[in-house]
Amino acid sequence: EAGVAQSPRYKIIEKRQSVAFWCNPISGHATLYWYQQILGQGPKLLIQFQNNGVVDDSQLPKDRFSAERLKGVDSTLKIQPAKLEDSAVYLCASGRPQGRDAGGTDTQYFGPGTRLTVL
Amino acid sequence: AQSVTQLGSHVSVSEGALVLLRCNYSSSVPPYLFWYVQYPNQGLQLLLKYTSAATLVKGINGFEAEFKKSETSFHLTKPSAHMSDAAEYFCAVSETGGYNKLIFGAGTRLAVHP
Repeated sequence: EAGVAQSPRYKIIEKRQSVAFWCNPISGHATLYWYQQILGQGPKLLIQFQNNGVVDDSQLPKDRFSAERLKGVDSTLKIQPAKLEDSAVYLCASGRPQGRDAGGTDTQYFGPGTRLTVL
Repeated sequence: AQSVTQLGSHVSVSEGALVLLRCNYSSSVPPYLFWYVQYPNQGLQLLLKYTSAATLVKGINGFEAEFKKSETSFHLTKPSAHMSDAAEYFCAVSETGGYNKLIFGAGTRLAVHP
């Protein structure tokens, strides 16, 4: 089966500009996650969707970040305006709802990520 | 609150030597535990996961990890390192009964030299 697709793979912008990332999850996966991975750190969850509803956005900087998953399939993450500290890799992951996978938790499958550089 | 600590940001081994990557967690409820590998310019790939069945978990590429509740540890091992194992490894924890939110450690970069 096809994996999680993300675009673009790389993006360079200047601070105060806006940027958008796109993610297409694995077909049939109801949950979709956006993570931010700053250089030298582990990924940090920004937002989690279950179908087209938000389950967890507690660590999303809502003054500048927004995300949507309108039809419960693909998703976009937007930053407006960007700051220098937003330079990171943005990873999208998808999974099946809890309980469907062995052991009662879904495995998250990650896309290749979008590397954002803010100058 | 849950957290994950990976001891050693860089580990270097010789080809054919034992690989040991350390992970300790804190969780107020029985956790699910995961090891992911990340190759340069790629996303994360699941190596193995612990979900309260067997405490010794076998994964892909010859890796395995043992859940030790008394030590709150989930160390990753491989008997014999290959050059292709050079990558960054992340340990992660999620809560049972939650929405599968993963909390990652800071990662350990594994170097394998001839």
